[in-house]
Amino acid sequence: EAQVTQNPRYLITVTGKKLTVTCSQNMNHEYMSWYRQDPGLGLRQIYYSMNVEVTDKGDVPEGYKVSRKEKRNFPLILESPSPNQTSLYFCASRTLTTGAEAFFGQGTRLTVV
Amino acid sequence: AQKITQTQPGMFVQEKEAVTLDCTYDTSDPSYGLFWYKQPSSGEMIFLIYQGSYDQQNATEGRYSLNFQKARKSANLVISASQLGDSAMYFCAMRASYGGATNKLIFGTGTLLAVQP
Repeated sequence: EAQVTQNPRYLITVTGKKLTVTCSQNMNHEYMSWYRQDPGLGLRQIYYSMNVEVTDKGDVPEGYKVSRKEKRNFPLILESPSPNQTSLYFCASRTLTTGAEAFFGQGTRLTVV
Repeated sequence: AQKITQTQPGMFVQEKEAVTLDCTYDTSDPSYGLFWYKQPSSGEMIFLIYQGSYDQQNATEGRYSLNFQKARKSANLVISASQLGDSAMYFCAMRASYGGATNKLIFGTGTLLAVQP
């Protein structure tokens, strides 16, 4: 089954404790990205990657890091989480074909206390 | 600036009736795509329908249709014969700059639809 898998689904952590949210896709998609969803703001892009070793900032990259060492994986790293990073996070992937839909992971609900 | 506007924070509709969710967009790119996603209470994002800026006909997918009015820059989602399972948050999104570096989806703030029996 074609899918994007995020882990964990839920996470509560404390301020400053480094964490990684994993994302893996099995569709051989070139493009992967991370979004955060906040009430009243919709989804905003954090980082994206056009292919292996090619990453770039989205609209709200501060406080986040990513890497793309393999085509299938695109982890999101919070080196020193803060309460304003409490949010619902989505990983998405797609091909680079015009009009291609984005496939989303199940979401990770992160709470930083 | 590229922007998606959804002016209806919430809507009610009776089961079996049709409902229109509004979406307007702003872009200076001649080539762009418009998407609708559904987010049920369980949280996942489900792709519903896509409309390309050069498509001559309005997109349809089962009970979903996209009323694309290019001159007005609107891309409203029409759900026919609403079902209780249609109760969810609906997001309109746009991807512009096909040849550019970002290829990101720009989302609206969403419309929460409640279908009443």
